[in-house]
Amino acid sequence: AQSVTQLDSHVSVSEGTPVLLRCNYSSSYSPSLFWYVQHPNKGLQLLLKYTSAATLVKGINGFEAEFKKSETSFHLTKPSAHMSDAAEYFCVVSAYFGNEKLTFGTGTRLTIIP
Amino acid sequence: DTEVTQTPKHLVMGMTNKKSLKCEQHMGHRAMYWYKQKAKKPPELMFVYSYEKLSINESVPSRFSPECPNSSLLNLHLHALQPEDSALYLCASSQVVSDTEAFFGQGTRLTVV
Repeated sequence: AQSVTQLDSHVSVSEGTPVLLRCNYSSSYSPSLFWYVQHPNKGLQLLLKYTSAATLVKGINGFEAEFKKSETSFHLTKPSAHMSDAAEYFCVVSAYFGNEKLTFGTGTRLTIIP
Repeated sequence: DTEVTQTPKHLVMGMTNKKSLKCEQHMGHRAMYWYKQKAKKPPELMFVYSYEKLSINESVPSRFSPECPNSSLLNLHLHALQPEDSALYLCASSQVVSDTEAFFGQGTRLTVV
């Protein structure tokens, strides 16, 4: 079985300050982990993915995430927030058991304060 | 081309109507998915197609009827929907079902009146 927990339902930061969105996962197998972003009334865009290569993963728009197996975490960070980063962010875990599914976290809404 | 294209972007339908949602990809992917997303919730898996065959049906009511006429196209036929079926319907694809990365379309915003 697998699950993912996004620890904050809402995060607010000021423009130009760092962003931290927290995600913990549980998986019986070596998982693949993803962060997706969804702007209002839009589909999901892949920000970055971890698939058992480098533990520090760089994504688009200056985001990065670090896979920490000992802490079962995959937190998303960005050094300096931009107004355009305001959106919903989903942490997703995937492991193929023959019951192919992506398991989504409940989402974190990021608000940027001007 | 790394796009998954969904049409229409918006759809309003009555409870007695029949309509269809369309999803297309030209990445050569052989796995395609339908998700339903209610406001302020994560997407929920509805159907999975693998090599044009229905692989998973997540106990979706029969008023939703998926179809995969070829490897590039996925349809979702809608009939006798209820207002609670109003949601964003997302299509996704991946190389094969064991490929863990999925590409999502922009979604169809469905309103049932």
